[in-house]
Amino acid sequence: QVQLKESGPGLVQPSETLSLTCTVSGFSLTSYSVSWVRQPSGKGPEWMGRMWYDGDTAYNSALKSRLSISRDTSKNQVFLKMNSLQTDDTGTYYCTRVENGFDYWGQGVMVTVSS
Amino acid sequence: DVVLTQTPSILSATIGQSVSISCRSSQSLLDSDGNTYLYWFLQRPGQSPQRLIYLVSNLGSGVPNRFSGSGSGTDFTLKISGVEAEDLGVYYCMQATHAPWTFGGGTKLELK
Repeated sequence: QVQLKESGPGLVQPSETLSLTCTVSGFSLTSYSVSWVRQPSGKGPEWMGRMWYDGDTAYNSALKSRLSISRDTSKNQVFLKMNSLQTDDTGTYYCTRVENGFDYWGQGVMVTVSS
Repeated sequence: DVVLTQTPSILSATIGQSVSISCRSSQSLLDSDGNTYLYWFLQRPGQSPQRLIYLVSNLGSGVPNRFSGSGSGTDFTLKISGVEAEDLGVYYCMQATHAPWTFGGGTKLELK
């Protein structure tokens, strides 16, 4: 069945780089696109960017200077890297399948930016 | 960026009551390809968002038919015909017509 699972460090120091992995199963990354969405505690979600099925990428302009999304199709993984982290980057980070209207989401990974 | 304004921000309902949530967009969400990329999600406490409605009015797989979506252009509505206890949580609309994709501020559905 379709699954997405985020993984990565729970704690990141201010000014450092966040690296997250979304591992998918039940579908191919060459047929479906994956987006990253984050959500500060108690607030609404924010779309960060997406990896298209053809390998192209798109980013939220508010994050574009700090954000990079890549993939390894052989490992069924999509990666997120965001640099210069600050405390307001704290929150839960999700990956979600785009086609069919965001029908599947990962469980999310909580990231805290703190020294 | 497209701003999605949801009303009300808090909705108190009794079990069995029918309720509606409004989502108004600062720009038309009709895409040049003829689709309107407007979605509705429910996020229960401690859980990931769950897709309810896609492309304005299409019911997601496994979603009860007491949920329905309607609207066009800039005005959209999610209706729940007979609230059940499992429907409690925060509802979000989202648009994917214009970059960057954006979410509404959310509507919290609670028991009266």
